[in-house]
Amino acid sequence: QVHLVQSGAEVKKPGASVKVSCKASGYTFTAYWIHWARQAPGQGLEWMGWIDPRGGGTQYAQNFQGRVTMTRDTSISTTYMELSGLTSDDMAVYFCARGRAVAGTRSWDYWGQGTLVTVS
Amino acid sequence: DIQLTQSPSFLSASVGDRVTITCRASQGISSYLAWYQQKPGKAPKLLIYGASILESGVPSRFSGSGSGTEFTLTISSLQPEDFATYYCQQLDSYPRTFGQGTKLEIK
Repeated sequence: QVHLVQSGAEVKKPGASVKVSCKASGYTFTAYWIHWARQAPGQGLEWMGWIDPRGGGTQYAQNFQGRVTMTRDTSISTTYMELSGLTSDDMAVYFCARGRAVAGTRSWDYWGQGTLVTVS
Repeated sequence: DIQLTQSPSFLSASVGDRVTITCRASQGISSYLAWYQQKPGKAPKLLIYGASILESGVPSRFSGSGSGTEFTLTISSLQPEDFATYYCQQLDSYPRTFGQGTKLEIK
């Protein structure tokens, strides 16, 4: 069965960086893109970007350009999302999700459990 | 960017009720729309993709319809476990965007 398991909660100072991991299992890691999204307390979902685990290609949302970096380590089926220059506005739960890309099935079918990032 | 507007934002209903949530896109997105259910402290769960295709394992009381700019999610007979927040998401273009959510509460 497919699982995405994220790293644990983080507490960071303003101006610091955070790196969240997302370990995949139960499927061929390089066959699906991984998307990252976040959810501030009591708010909706905001897409941050995607990474193609096969070649490492990425696309980031305009709001995070220059501050976010997504990488992967195929040897351990893990993707990473690093966000720098943290402010209180970055306090949120960060999710990774597997993206299905075939035109008729586009959706995010499996999600990590979420990682709470506190900036204080 | 494509804006998604859900209505209503809050919905109060009883077990057994039929409820419908609407998602309107600011421009046409064909059928590239998904619906998710989220419970407090949990990750969203995929319910519907392709606007109307039920994800495997999701109860048949959930259904979706629409194309272009107007979409609906219908729950035919609410069960206690259905009280949650529902989000639509467009997968037509980047950036991927979500509706603001519809919180379904017990009346």
